[in-house]
Amino acid sequence: DAGVIQSPRHEVTEMGQEVTLRCKPISGHNSLFWYRQTMMRGLELLIYFNNNVPIDDSGMPEDRFSAKMPNASFSTLKIQPSEPRDSAVYFCASKLWEDQETQYFGPGTRLLVL
Amino acid sequence: DAKTTQPPSMDCAEGRAANLPCNHSTISGNEYVYWYRQIHSQGPQYIIHGLKNNETNEMASLIITEDRKSSTLILPHATLRDTAVYYCIVRVGGGSNYKLTFGKGTLLTVNP
Repeated sequence: DAGVIQSPRHEVTEMGQEVTLRCKPISGHNSLFWYRQTMMRGLELLIYFNNNVPIDDSGMPEDRFSAKMPNASFSTLKIQPSEPRDSAVYFCASKLWEDQETQYFGPGTRLLVL
Repeated sequence: DAKTTQPPSMDCAEGRAANLPCNHSTISGNEYVYWYRQIHSQGPQYIIHGLKNNETNEMASLIITEDRKSSTLILPHATLRDTAVYYCIVRVGGGSNYKLTFGKGTLLTVNP
């Protein structure tokens, strides 16, 4: 099993540019989560999907952030326009709905907005 | 979800047991205790979870006090690769609306 795959692993962009982060969950998993991690705020849940449907997006910081899950094997997190304060590591995680204990995290995308 | 309190950092000698405490005095009867860890530059990794009984798996043991207000994660023979931030999370388990709220955790440093 390849695990959760995220791309790109590193992204450097300039303020105002659009950024798209991608996630491929583990095959067969039907819940997907996007997290953001910074030194100041730690690890924060942004949004999670169940069966491709967004269940809770209360952690999304503002309208500049959007997330989609068009099918069971792909999700995107988009920031438009990006700002320097969006610089962080963004993690995607997936799990089986039936699995009570384990979320499987990807390696993360390290985003730097200049 | 109940709040947890962990020491910000701990040290442990390689080969010795690492005992990481967590206080969760406001835990409810249906809330589980979960432990995750995050090795530098990696995503968090599930370790173990429990409700009220002690649990053991290939990675660690979880000891929960009888009143469930605190717990201890035990790594029986710590190695350098166990150096990581360890998160104790209390959460109602089960169902599709599963949510983890990470605190600041404990930075465990295993020394040679």
